[in-house]
Amino acid sequence: KNEVEQSPQNLTAQEGEFITINCSYSVGISALHWLQQHPGGGIVSLFMLSSGKKKHGRLIATINIQEKHSSLHITASHPRDSAVYICAVNSNTDKLIFGTGTRLQVFP
Amino acid sequence: KAGVTQTPRYLIKTRGQQVTLSCSPISGHRSVSWYQQTPGQGLQFLFEYFSETQRNKGNFPGRFSGRQFSNSRSEMNVSTLELGDSALYLCASSAGQGAFGEQFFGPGTRLTVL
Repeated sequence: KNEVEQSPQNLTAQEGEFITINCSYSVGISALHWLQQHPGGGIVSLFMLSSGKKKHGRLIATINIQEKHSSLHITASHPRDSAVYICAVNSNTDKLIFGTGTRLQVFP
Repeated sequence: KAGVTQTPRYLIKTRGQQVTLSCSPISGHRSVSWYQQTPGQGLQFLFEYFSETQRNKGNFPGRFSGRQFSNSRSEMNVSTLELGDSALYLCASSAGQGAFGEQFFGPGTRLTVL
């Protein structure tokens, strides 16, 4: 079993839909990252959080430390949001552990 | 500020050769981390450097090594290349003194081993 699990693996949506991507982890962590990777490989950091909730534009990230779970929400999705979204955790053993990613496609 | 740069962007090598990849972090960032991305294993952490010292290391064989210079630029080296080393190698830099702060990624070096 992977230490960081994401669901769903693949997600398709119509433009304007509300999207949720989930991340569960089984190790002790100090922080969690949400990353976005577009075709071609470039990776962008969306959020780094250790508690509560953060919002940036149409993106919202939440984390529940007790339940070892985080969610990434995209409101009013747009085709340009199509990408792979990756959850990663700073483990208490000083490693960055990645989930396998969620491939999102948003159609007009 | 200029972003993280990596050179070369593409590389083709044959089995048994060695390769050196370079990463220049964002100015002022002292932490540099390296990652390997393959279709089968996804993203995996290789190692992290801070102020010329390797602070953290992932589960890779000793053929994978790295170093960091006084200007925070970093190199990673893979010796005795194997077909399975074909991957996208990414580096990322972060500000502050902690390991794995907000990661700023470079564009990656795509290594193909024939």
